[in-house]
Amino acid sequence: DIQMTQSPSTLSASVGDRVTITCRASQTISSYLAWYQQKPGKAPHLLIYKASSLESGVPSRFSGSGSGTEFTLTISSLQPDDFGTYYCQQYNDYPWTFGQGTKVEIK
Amino acid sequence: EVQLLESGGGLVQPGGSLRLACTASGFSFSSYAMSWVRQAPGKGLEWVSTISGTFDVTHHADSVKGRFTISKDNSKNTLFLQMNSLRAEDTAVYYCVKTRMKDPFTTFRVEPGYWGPGTLVTVSS
Repeated sequence: DIQMTQSPSTLSASVGDRVTITCRASQTISSYLAWYQQKPGKAPHLLIYKASSLESGVPSRFSGSGSGTEFTLTISSLQPDDFGTYYCQQYNDYPWTFGQGTKVEIK
Repeated sequence: EVQLLESGGGLVQPGGSLRLACTASGFSFSSYAMSWVRQAPGKGLEWVSTISGTFDVTHHADSVKGRFTISKDNSKNTLFLQMNSLRAEDTAVYYCVKTRMKDPFTTFRVEPGYWGPGTLVTVSS
C-alpha cells in the first residue's frame, strides 16, 4: 500500500498568513493526488484534484503543487473560515490512502 | 444539484450485519463510480470500497474484504454497502462519495468529488 505522510500535524496561524501543508507519498503517484478540507462534524470537501487543479467554487487562495512523491497545499492568505482539518489522498492505485490530517487553527 | 443521503447506520452487536444505503439525485447515477469512505471517531479517513458506474467492477480494502460488499441499483439511484461479521473496529461514520469525473466504466484514477453527510455505525455489545 502507498503510505501518505502529512506535515505538520497541527498548525496555528493568523489571518492573512501564508500557510503551507506538505504531503509525501511512499512511492510515486504521478499527479493523482487530492486535497480535502473537513470541518468538525461535517463531511470532507474537495479542494484540489490532480495535484494542482482547483475544484469549481473553491476560493483561489487555495493552490496545490507537486508530482511524483512530494506535494504541497498552499493557502495564500489565511481566512477565518479556513479552520479545520486538511487531508491529502492518493488515487493513483488501490487501496486509496489518505494522509493523517493537518489541523489548522486560527490564532 | 448533487445530493447524496446515507441511511441504515445504527448500533449493532459484534458479529452482526448492517446494510447501508445511499440515495443519489441531481446527476446521472450510472455514469459515475461511487465509493464508501469511513472515519472512526476522532480519527482520519479510511477508504472502504469503490464500484464502477456500470458493469459493477468493485474494489475493497483488505480490512473489509470478505466481510463487506459494495453494490448499486442504477434503476433506483442507490448505492449499498452490505456489512457482515462486524467488529468493534468497524465503528465509524460511513460516507457515500461520488467521483468527480463522469465515466461509467472506469474505477482507476478517478478522484472522489462529492461526499454525503455520513451515517454512524456503532459496533458494540
